Amino acid sequence: AQSVTQLDSQVPVFEEAPVELRCNYSSSVSVYLFWYVQYPNQGLQLLLKYLSGSTLVKGINGFEAEFNKSQTSFHLRKPSVHISDTAEYFCAVTRYSSASKIIFGSGTRLSIRP
Amino acid sequence: DTGVSQDPRHKITKRGQNVTFRCDPISEHNRLYWYRQTLGQGPEFLTYFQNEAQLEKSRLLSDRFSAERPKGSFSTLEIQRTEQGDSAMYLCASSPPVGTDQFVSGNTIYFGEGSWLTVV
Repeated sequence: AQSVTQLDSQVPVFEEAPVELRCNYSSSVSVYLFWYVQYPNQGLQLLLKYLSGSTLVKGINGFEAEFNKSQTSFHLRKPSVHISDTAEYFCAVTRYSSASKIIFGSGTRLSIRP
Repeated sequence: DTGVSQDPRHKITKRGQNVTFRCDPISEHNRLYWYRQTLGQGPEFLTYFQNEAQLEKSRLLSDRFSAERPKGSFSTLEIQRTEQGDSAMYLCASSPPVGTDQFVSGNTIYFGEGSWLTVV
């Protein structure tokens, strides 16, 4: 079975500062990895995904993530955050196979201070 | 709007009542998922359908919960004899068929806005 651990439940940063949200996964098989963002009272929106190929994945809103197979990590980064990035971020994993559910981490709340 | 649509967006019900949520997936998406999310937690998988077949159900889905997708299009999630612990946001999601574009879609699922349930 797959699992996801988001190491930080909350990350406060100042506006225009860089940020890294950490994610580690566990799986005995090959996986796809995702980051989703959830704004207050809304559903989840896909930020980026790793399927294969380049380990550095670029997503929307200036976010990027790096897949590290040896460390089983998929950390999310942004070089300069904006107030509008305030949201909950979820790392997720799914088995590399046909039709499989996605397993989510518990989330990291990113709060941006002016 | 061609995204995943959920109805109602908010529902307040008394304990013991039955509630039903509806989900309309993105057209041409043959897989449909239900998740539950409580405050401060990530979405928890409940069940999913491929076309009209319910392929997997979580242990979280007690006997009071039932999901259907009779024609392989929209889906309903019914909760019978609601309890206060059922208060949560119920998220529906859909994903495209696995096939030649699997490598592109990579099991990506697209979420609706969610249906909030408050049991009082």
